[in-house]
Amino acid sequence: DQQVKQNSPSLSVQEGRISILNCDYTNSMFDYFLWYKKYPAEGPTFLISISSIKDKNEDGRFTVFLNKSAKHLSLHIVPSQPGDSAVYFCAAALTGGGNKLTFGTGTQLKVEL
Amino acid sequence: DAGITQSPRHKVTETGTPVTLRCHQTENHRYMYWYRQDPGHGLRLIHYSYGVKDTDKGEVSDGYSVSRSKTEDFLLTLESATSSQTSVYFCATGNTEAFFGQGTRLTVV
Repeated sequence: DQQVKQNSPSLSVQEGRISILNCDYTNSMFDYFLWYKKYPAEGPTFLISISSIKDKNEDGRFTVFLNKSAKHLSLHIVPSQPGDSAVYFCAAALTGGGNKLTFGTGTQLKVEL
Repeated sequence: DAGITQSPRHKVTETGTPVTLRCHQTENHRYMYWYRQDPGHGLRLIHYSYGVKDTDKGEVSDGYSVSRSKTEDFLLTLESATSSQTSVYFCATGNTEAFFGQGTRLTVV
């Protein structure tokens, strides 16, 4: 039972354009959502997060949108750069539940020149 | 890297042998976690700890045990390694925005 889903295993975009990565969840109790970026042979690194009381959070080139009614979140990267090429994991948590993260399966983003 | 060190970084072991992976943190975080990463599954929680000697099971805990005798160290033990435990193991610490170690690639042959 995959509670957090990333239905696109891969995404390819041109440098300078927008990258949109999508994530859906099924557990309505999740109240905190995060995106992690992972390069090969490294651990995931935290990118950006959003609380369920918000619908948008922005940090530089990265913006996360949350649609609670649709149980959907997305990560927008503008403009995309070649260094953004990595696997992106969406994660969800219940903040009163020991901060355990439930991850999606990841989306491989490739930013082409 | 938020002061997280995993050891060993790579290990090959035989089926049926016990294996212990170590996670060491220098940030004095209360919470520590062990995840495994497998293709098609993302990262899945094996066990977690919310303090010294306080641990609990995660989503995929069968075949694994953990111990936390000091705040800085969290050990993951595979009691009798099986081929299905071939994976990349990540330790993490922190609060909601967890920080991850660099991972241990374990191969069970």
